[in-house]
Amino acid sequence: QLQLQESGPGLVQPAETLSLTCIVSGGSISSSSYHWGWMRQPPGKGLQWIGSIYYSGTTYYNPSLQSRVTISVDTSKNQFSLKVSSVTAADTAVYYCARLTVGPSTGAFEIWGQGTMVTVSA
Amino acid sequence: DIVVTQTPLSSPVTLGQPASISCRSSQSLVHSDGNTYLSWLQQRPGQPPRLLIYKISNRFSGVPDRFSGSGAGTDFTLKISRVEAEDVGLYYCMQASQFPYTFGQGTKLEIK
Repeated sequence: QLQLQESGPGLVQPAETLSLTCIVSGGSISSSSYHWGWMRQPPGKGLQWIGSIYYSGTTYYNPSLQSRVTISVDTSKNQFSLKVSSVTAADTAVYYCARLTVGPSTGAFEIWGQGTMVTVSA
Repeated sequence: DIVVTQTPLSSPVTLGQPASISCRSSQSLVHSDGNTYLSWLQQRPGQPPRLLIYKISNRFSGVPDRFSGSGAGTDFTLKISRVEAEDVGLYYCMQASQFPYTFGQGTKLEIK
């Protein structure tokens, strides 16, 4: 069945760019039935949607992060990526990738990766 | 942005007893296609979130039937008919009717 796996550095220097990749296995990323999202969860806090992308490359971002976030897709590698620039300690969080089946099916994030902890520190 | 507010933030429950979590949105979650994209997710300690309920009241594959969802418009409820030990964790409602998608603050379900 479909699985998602986040990968990337666990430690990022302040003011640098955080880069993560979500590898999709057991299914194709190239379907208009889905979009692919990034969420994050600071330690001891709740979930925040960062943004989503369709396989076509169309993106949607959270306005609170939009100026610093870029999400891209590589259909040839069946993966999508997240970049957050100019990071601070407030960007320390577990980052999750997930798949949402677009409406009118579930319209919800059905499949999640295990998450990867990213710490911003010098 | 649509603000989603959950109550209570903490819910101590006796095993075998029911539990209920409320989720209220700052505006209607009815999408232009007529559907309401309100979902409930469970997050057990140390685990990623898991989808329980989608479009208000539909149980996702593999979810026990003791979980049920209800509501309409701006007011929604997740109910657990008889709480089991494995239900301990955080519960989130999430709206995907309008960008940016937003989550409730989370409700911590614990056993008394």
